[in-house]
Amino acid sequence: DAGVIQSPRHEVTEMGQEVTLRCKPISGHDYLFWYRQTMMRGLELLIYFNNNVPIDDSGMPEDRFSAKMPNASFSTLKIQPSEPRDSAVYFCASSLNNEQFFGPGTRLTVL
Amino acid sequence: RKEVEQDPGPFNVPEGATVAFNCTYSNSASQSFFWYRQDCRKEPKLLMSVYSSGNEDGRFTAQLNRASQYISLLIRDSKLSDSATYLCVVNNPGAGSYQLTFGKGTKLSVIP
Repeated sequence: DAGVIQSPRHEVTEMGQEVTLRCKPISGHDYLFWYRQTMMRGLELLIYFNNNVPIDDSGMPEDRFSAKMPNASFSTLKIQPSEPRDSAVYFCASSLNNEQFFGPGTRLTVL
Repeated sequence: RKEVEQDPGPFNVPEGATVAFNCTYSNSASQSFFWYRQDCRKEPKLLMSVYSSGNEDGRFTAQLNRASQYISLLIRDSKLSDSATYLCVVNNPGAGSYQLTFGKGTKLSVIP
């Protein structure tokens, strides 16, 4: 059974460009989480969905960040415009009960 | 005070040694506790849940002290493959029990 799938795995872009990160959760999981991980701050929750509905987006750093979940098998995290301080690893995770299963992450570098 | 605090390490221990990590959390209403493991440049993966009575999984033992709000992880007979970062995780009560807060992790290096 496939785990959480994220794409792209690596993204290098220039400041000001739009970045879209994609996630496919594990089939049947009803929760989806977006995290950001940096050395300084560790793993931070950005937003999470339950049954495709955003529940808490208080972790989204600012209006440049947006996330959508149009259906149970797909979610996107968009940064527009991107800035160098957005450089981090972005993880998507899904869960059915208490255990969260993480995708391999997208390593984003904004020059 | 940070929500979940851990000693970042690194802990450098020889193979076969016993090593223990502690973690403190700030929200006394938290109900669920976990240890996750993260290998270098990989995603976090659940190592074990932590139950009130303490629990063991092979060489790993987890303990919870609600009064002092700390969680511990003990690894016996360390293996080279145990080298990783160990993340202490607690749920955020009231926000939905599935919302988790992660510590920054404790790095363990097991040396031959």
